[in-house]
Amino acid sequence: AAGVIQSPRHLIKEKRETATLKCYPIPRHDTVYWYQQGPGQDPQFLISFYEKMQSDKGSIPDRFSAQQFSDYHSELNMSSLELGDSALYFCASSLGRGGQYFGPGTRLTVL
Amino acid sequence: AQTVTQSQPEMSVQEAETVTLSCTYDTSESNYYLFWYKQPPSRQMILVIRQEAYKQQNATENRFSVNFQKAAKSFSLKISDSQLGDTAMYFCAFRETGANNLFFGTGTRLTVIP
Repeated sequence: AAGVIQSPRHLIKEKRETATLKCYPIPRHDTVYWYQQGPGQDPQFLISFYEKMQSDKGSIPDRFSAQQFSDYHSELNMSSLELGDSALYFCASSLGRGGQYFGPGTRLTVL
Repeated sequence: AQTVTQSQPEMSVQEAETVTLSCTYDTSESNYYLFWYKQPPSRQMILVIRQEAYKQQNATENRFSVNFQKAAKSFSLKISDSQLGDTAMYFCAFRETGANNLFFGTGTRLTVIP
């Protein structure tokens, strides 16, 4: 069965640079979520989209923005990167408010 | 605010034995969803099992089952016939009915010993 696809899988950036993470949800899933997992931490919710509209917002910094496109893929844009942004970023998708299925994650390292 | 507590940072179990991971949560809502996710060394987050609070029957998925005690706000995961591939971090998670985001506990690292 098709799963959530995230790209890139690994990303290395310098401080103050920008990064864009991409997420392709499971086909026919209409809701996308972004989570951030720091080293040794549990995942923290950042933001979600339902039918291309932002549906909920968590602890997402103002330096980050996200959107969902007409094909339901989503992008998380991160600017003015800081060392503390180094983390594993998960995208998850669901059909409505059903179970959330996670992608493999993008490991972002900020040097 | 919703909180999810996993009081066992680490556990171990012999292969083929049964282990139970604990989870408690706090909410003022009457209807919600509870989940267990598994995160193996690959760091992939895998949905193991889900429970809807309005259902009294405990969810079961093959070797995985839950003991959902709504009054006690407890949601434990039982793994039967433990296998080496069950070695992972296990996160308990909570979601309100009307919300999108999951609240995760801090996780329990389970090691299955051959």
